[in-house]
Amino acid sequence: GESVGLHLPTLSVQEGDNSIINCAYSNSASDYFIWYKQESGKGPQFIIDIRSNMDKRQGQRVTVLLNKTVKHLSLQIAATQPGDSAVYFCAENQAGTALIFGKGTTLSVSS
Amino acid sequence: DTGVSQDPRHKITKRGQNVTFRCDPISEHNRLYWYRQTLGQGPEFLTYFQNEAQLEKSRLLSDRFSAERPKGSFSTLEIQRTEQGDSAMYLCASSLEQNEKLFFGSGTQLSVL
Repeated sequence: GESVGLHLPTLSVQEGDNSIINCAYSNSASDYFIWYKQESGKGPQFIIDIRSNMDKRQGQRVTVLLNKTVKHLSLQIAATQPGDSAVYFCAENQAGTALIFGKGTTLSVSS
Repeated sequence: DTGVSQDPRHKITKRGQNVTFRCDPISEHNRLYWYRQTLGQGPEFLTYFQNEAQLEKSRLLSDRFSAERPKGSFSTLEIQRTEQGDSAMYLCASSLEQNEKLFFGSGTQLSVL
């Protein structure tokens, strides 16, 4: 079926550490993946995306890795800051449909 | 501000009343989406439009839910005969084309008493 899940509901890290948030997807036909960050009371904010013809993409302090063999997606945040504290969602899109979201991982950064 | 705009930000209503929410997408975006989000969950897709055409509505939660985008610009989401289970955050998003990133508004928080 079309479902996107995250391995851990919460992740706690120290400021300055690197964070890794994981996501497993089940639809092998999905060809576009996005990571969103959501702060309390706000809508999801785009972080980074990747298409299925790639296995890695880097942004500013963030890297997304895609492993199509095991249908796994991860978000790496370098030098995590208190402002990174939020709920992170992965979402998948099969061509012609809408984005389907997972349940989210709450990242807590302590200083 | 040229982002996605939603109105109102908060709505409190009594069970059985009708409510309507408005979404103004980013102006050049052809696609407009409605999602619902309950506490602790990811956004749940409801429906979307390509310009004024509603391309997917089978995921609207019941026949009490309807959406329009009459001129291909702003959209409205209406819930008739609200129930307490309708209490949630209703999010609107827009994108330039299919299979592109969505930009979300801040949502309308609905509370049904």
